[in-house]
Amino acid sequence: GAGVSQSPSNKVTEKGKDVELRCDPISGHTALYWYRQRLGQGLEFLIYFQGNSAPDKSGLPSDRFSAERTGESVSTLTIQRTQQEDSAVYLCASSLALATGEPQHFGDGTRLSIL
Amino acid sequence: LAKTTQPISMDSYEGQEVNITCSHNNIATNDYITWYQQFPSQGPRFIIQGYKTKVTNEVASLFIPADRKSSTLSLPRVSLSDTAVYYCLVGALNTPLVFGKGTRLSVIA
Repeated sequence: GAGVSQSPSNKVTEKGKDVELRCDPISGHTALYWYRQRLGQGLEFLIYFQGNSAPDKSGLPSDRFSAERTGESVSTLTIQRTQQEDSAVYLCASSLALATGEPQHFGDGTRLSIL
Repeated sequence: LAKTTQPISMDSYEGQEVNITCSHNNIATNDYITWYQQFPSQGPRFIIQGYKTKVTNEVASLFIPADRKSSTLSLPRVSLSDTAVYYCLVGALNTPLVFGKGTRLSVIA
């Protein structure tokens, strides 16, 4: 079946511009996560949506970052007034969030480059 | 959050068994141990997850001693396509994952 889909796959923009990244999770997955991966590093957690609960925004690095999720489907991550340090791969993951610990399934990310 | 320590890199020849050990001395009672694999320009892919003793699936085995302060991912008979970064993660179920830098495995023909 279809996996987690992210778009665009690559985005190049000028410093100071706003960008919007999209994630289409696996159908039926109630949990959705956003992570950031800088070159040569592990993933950093950004934000977590679980059903209708308030999102866990504890990983967002600044108020320039925000994310929304429509029900249990698409999510968008918005970065306002982009800075060069925002250059990274932004990865989205989704899971069923069952008590048995269904693993997170990742998309292939959006590679964001800030000039 | 429990921190993990794993080797930065490992080399292996094709056909050999590879064991990657991860230390997690501060693991909590409700923490599970999960391993992911990541190829360049791709998102991480789930390999295996366990709580204690031994877990085996079609691609790997996970060995966890009784004190759970470490774990070992075992990949049988690796091939060139197993060249990737392997991440050991420790945390409660259904929570954001905490990634370290992982172990870069290079498989040589």
